Amino acid sequence: DQQVKQNSPSLSVQEGRISILNCDYTNSMFDYFLWYKKYPAEGPTFLISISSIKDKNEDGRFTVFLNKSAKHLSLHIVPSQPGDSAVYFCAASAYRYNFNKFYFGSGTKLNVKP
Amino acid sequence: NAGVTQTPKFQVLKTGQSMTLQCAQDMNHEYMSWYRQDPGMGLRLIHYSVGAGITDQGEVPNGYNVSRSTTEDFPLRLLSAAPSQTSVYFCASTPSPFRTEGQETQYFGPGTRLLVL
Repeated sequence: DQQVKQNSPSLSVQEGRISILNCDYTNSMFDYFLWYKKYPAEGPTFLISISSIKDKNEDGRFTVFLNKSAKHLSLHIVPSQPGDSAVYFCAASAYRYNFNKFYFGSGTKLNVKP
Repeated sequence: NAGVTQTPKFQVLKTGQSMTLQCAQDMNHEYMSWYRQDPGMGLRLIHYSVGAGITDQGEVPNGYNVSRSTTEDFPLRLLSAAPSQTSVYFCASTPSPFRTEGQETQYFGPGTRLLVL
């Protein structure tokens, strides 16, 4: 059973508008979350992360929000650009596991239309 | 730095054949891992290693073997390929095997696409 879920396989947004990608998790022990971006024929690359002690983290156009009570996180991209078109994965890990073991969602394919 | 490299990029196998997927990193990272990516399933951890000589199983280890004789290399062996092992395989590395703030980011290779007939 997947512990990290991305229920929207795809999302289409107009250039300049906001993209919101969602991720839900079931394991309450997860305390660190990351977003990765993946282009076709490439490996995922790190985008942004958030620790459970925070509820928001910003990096330029990218902001991640964490709602621990709802076990939900979201990635906001403002403004969206055509180059943002990619598959986005969220990932989570738990400190009690000690090692850097991460659980990934199934990904959301974002298409930003010019 | 080349980062994380994987070979081959693409491979076709017949059921029952064996093969080794190669992974190497030149960043002196202690932690390395193998994932498989399947449609609708995301990336699932197959095996991981916290340092040379130390490996452990992830979520989906059956049918795969690993070893870590050096810090740089972490090959993944398919003992007897099955159609269910058709997937894209990613190798990743992290500076530290332990949860260390600022060092949690994994660096991924470009992937190996495997087709088992």
